[in-house]
Amino acid sequence: QVQLVESGGGVVQPGRSLRLSCAASGFIFSYYAMYWVRQAPGKGLEWVAVISHDGSNKYYADSVKGRFTISRDNSKNTFYLQMNSLRADDTAVYFCARNPQWLVRFVDYWGQGTLVTVSS
Amino acid sequence: QAVVTQEPSLTVSPGGTVTLTCDSSTGAVTSGHYPYWFQQKPGQAPKTLIYDTTNKHSWTPARFSGSLLGGKAALTLSGAQPEDEADYYCLLSYSGAWVFGGGTKLTVL
Repeated sequence: QVQLVESGGGVVQPGRSLRLSCAASGFIFSYYAMYWVRQAPGKGLEWVAVISHDGSNKYYADSVKGRFTISRDNSKNTFYLQMNSLRADDTAVYFCARNPQWLVRFVDYWGQGTLVTVSS
Repeated sequence: QAVVTQEPSLTVSPGGTVTLTCDSSTGAVTSGHYPYWFQQKPGQAPKTLIYDTTNKHSWTPARFSGSLLGGKAALTLSGAQPEDEADYYCLLSYSGAWVFGGGTKLTVL
């Protein structure tokens, strides 16, 4: 069965960096694009970044462009979100999710999320 | 950027029917917006219920259905169960740019 497991969340000071990971299993990881989606406490959902199946295409929400970088390692069935210059409004639960069809579909399976708290 | 609007809250009686809607600031919602619906229960990850307006996943209960209704995307729950109490989010595509609605808190009471 499809499983997505996030890790790397925690408490970090404003301006610092953090890297999230999402380990995938139960499907051929290299066939699928992958998303990061976040949810601030008590708020709605916001897509953050997406990476194509081979890593050649990446798109970011305007709110994180220039600060966050999405990447993947298909040999490890894992993809990442490098978050730099973190701000208080980046505080959120970050979910990874699988994209079943590039640019036409959004996501089908979701991970359980990892909490990132940006606070001094 | 387009704004996607949902009812902030709705209440349905057990066994009853309720329709949640998803409106676009740019005009009528069409199948070209590839509407999605997600269910999220407290402390849990979202679950994808409906994609491409009407399509269900294998895990989507039959009592949920998606449609276009009066220029909006709609999620209809027929025969509400207590476990359907949750937040529901819609999502629309604007030429590949995905925008979430603010969510509807559905109470089954």
